[in-house]
Amino acid sequence: DTEVTQTPKHLVMGMTNKKSLKCEQHMGHRAMYWYKQKAKKPPELMFVYSYEKLSINESVPSRFSPECPNSSLLNLHLHALQPEDSALYLCASSPLESATDTQYFGPGTRLTVL
Amino acid sequence: GESVGLHLPTLSVQEGDNSIINCAYSNSASDYFIWYKQESGKGPQFIIDIRSNMDKRQGQRVTVLLNKTVKHLSLQIAATQPGDSAVYFCAENEYGNKLVFGAGTILRVKS
Repeated sequence: DTEVTQTPKHLVMGMTNKKSLKCEQHMGHRAMYWYKQKAKKPPELMFVYSYEKLSINESVPSRFSPECPNSSLLNLHLHALQPEDSALYLCASSPLESATDTQYFGPGTRLTVL
Repeated sequence: GESVGLHLPTLSVQEGDNSIINCAYSNSASDYFIWYKQESGKGPQFIIDIRSNMDKRQGQRVTVLLNKTVKHLSLQIAATQPGDSAVYFCAENEYGNKLVFGAGTILRVKS
């Protein structure tokens, strides 16, 4: 089973709202990732967690706050977003944070900021 | 920073023909390369990978070729089917597990 699940599938929020995106995997992977993908563009890395600890933050604005409560779950807390933050947010996981470990992606959350 | 790029943004092929999608990469230190397929409204789906110590790897109907001399990667799809229509991304794995994606190629299969 190489399934990564994400909820919700779609989210519409105002600029003053607080919302959270959720990602889950039960493959025993110890590395999890958040990517942002704008329309007709490739995914761009935001955060990497390895063994539940933040490993990489690609200079993402503080209005995006990741959290890894356990080895199976990854959250992305959203607050005071801008319309330009509207995008597809993808979660991925891999066995380890290794240069030769395949990353498996979830279906994404389509976020619209009004 | 260094990046991975693609030569052709859109490729149209007839059903049953073979497809070849190309990718140029610039980081000679990259050790691992992956092809992903992304259908509309879905996340990227792993297709095939190859490590830098190989020059060819075959899967079911797909073959990846790696030419390290000219830093070129290609994905060959045999007997292309309508279900193969999607955006295809090559990606290289830099230090740690940081994936850098190419711009993407749209594959359209004509019936």
